[in-house]
Amino acid sequence: GQQLNQSPQSMFIQEGEDVSMNCTSSSIFNTWLWYKQEPGEGPVLLIALYKAGELTSNGRLTAQFGITRKDSFLNISASIPSDVGIYFCAGQDTGRRALTFGSGTRLQVQP
Amino acid sequence: DTGVSQDPRHKITKRGQNVTFRCDPISEHNRLYWYRQTLGQGPEFLTYFQNEAQLEKSRLLSDRFSAERPKGSFSTLEIQRTEQGDSAMYLCASSDGDQPQHFGDGTRLSIL
Repeated sequence: GQQLNQSPQSMFIQEGEDVSMNCTSSSIFNTWLWYKQEPGEGPVLLIALYKAGELTSNGRLTAQFGITRKDSFLNISASIPSDVGIYFCAGQDTGRRALTFGSGTRLQVQP
Repeated sequence: DTGVSQDPRHKITKRGQNVTFRCDPISEHNRLYWYRQTLGQGPEFLTYFQNEAQLEKSRLLSDRFSAERPKGSFSTLEIQRTEQGDSAMYLCASSDGDQPQHFGDGTRLSIL
């Protein structure tokens, strides 16, 4: 089946640093989404991408839909302590409603 | 917009017992999804409804699992004869058609 490889698995950074994480797939997706999950809560939608090459921002977050449609990355600029959490990428295949999730990138921010 | 609501938030039960979870989607969202998440992993798709019709089921959804959405609003997920391997977070999501899915805070199931 489809698999998403998300990297890095974890990051420990200083407040104010920029962060970059990415997701690669063995197959093509027509939609990429990025979610953030905090302990005891469900995933919260950050950014949705619908076209190859699309670059979308949401505040300090920027995500891109790879040209090959098999990858996506998420950047966080000027990190702050409340950015702490697990960031998941998710892909959606044409004609299917199910999301395929990566295994997450755990972000810790040192004040 | 009150968000996706799930009940209970936590459930502890003995192996072999039946459990039922409830999900109330965002008002007027016609699609509802169930996922399972184990520790250190991303959510895995179980099943989805469009209105009251269950249109897709994952191979993860064994015969002991059944989901319903009788009136096209709230949904229930029942697990019969629970096993240790059923311990997980069960997440519900909803969407307005093809719009992105929004998740509830899940029901954490622990099997003793």
